[in-house]
Amino acid sequence: EPEVTQTPSHQVTQMGQEVILRCVPISNHLYFYWYRQILGQKVEFLVSFYNNEISEKSEIFDDQFSVERPDGSNFTLKIRSTKLEDSAMYFCASNQGANQPQHFGDGTRLSIL
Amino acid sequence: GEDVEQSLFLSVREGDSSVINCTYTDSSSTYLYWYKQEPGAGLQLLTYIFSNMDMKQDQRLTVLLNKKDKHLSLRIADTQTGDSAIYFCAEIYSGGGADGLTFGKGTHLIIQP
Repeated sequence: EPEVTQTPSHQVTQMGQEVILRCVPISNHLYFYWYRQILGQKVEFLVSFYNNEISEKSEIFDDQFSVERPDGSNFTLKIRSTKLEDSAMYFCASNQGANQPQHFGDGTRLSIL
Repeated sequence: GEDVEQSLFLSVREGDSSVINCTYTDSSSTYLYWYKQEPGAGLQLLTYIFSNMDMKQDQRLTVLLNKKDKHLSLRIADTQTGDSAIYFCAEIYSGGGADGLTFGKGTHLIIQP
C-alpha cells in the first residue's frame, strides 16, 4: 500500500539554525499537510498546500516557517532560526481530495539543543 | 475554537470489547476520524464517519456518532494485545479548502492479559 515517507526520522539541531524536514506524499495525492506534536500535547495543524500554494494555515505557522514543493515528489517544511520550543514530532500528511481521509507519515522527531 | 476531548487511559482485558469515547465542540464538523499510533510509528487511519451517519462498522471496529451530543465512540470487539496503542479522535470541517484536522490528546489503550 502506498505510504507517506518522511526523512529524517530524527533531526538534532542547534538553536538558531535552520532546519528542513522532508516528506514524499503518496504519488497521486494533491493536497499536503504539516502537523506537529509537542511532547505530551495534541497533534496540531500547521499548514496545508494545494496547487503549489498554501491553502490554509494555523496561528502557529508564522514567518519562521515556510513550505515548498521543490519538485514533483517532495514536500518540505523549513524552520528558520529554530527555538527550543520548536522541539516536537512533525508529521506530514496527504490526501487525494480535500474531503478525503488524510494519510500520515511516521514523523520526524526534531530536537533543538 | 474547535476542541476535541478524550480520556487519557483505558484498560481492558484481552478478549473483551474496548470502547473509546470522544467529545467535540464544532457542530459544523463534516467528518470524524479515528487514528491509531503504535510506539515509534506514525498515525494510522483506522476508520472515519461522515457527519450525516450514526454508525459505521468495519470488521472488529464500530463507530457510533451522536451528533446531538457531539459524542463519538470507537468500539473494538475481541480486543487483542496488538490493539495496544494510542487512539486519536479527530474532526474536520471541510469548507472547500484543504482544512486541517483537530485532534484530541489521544487515549492510551492498555490490554491486560
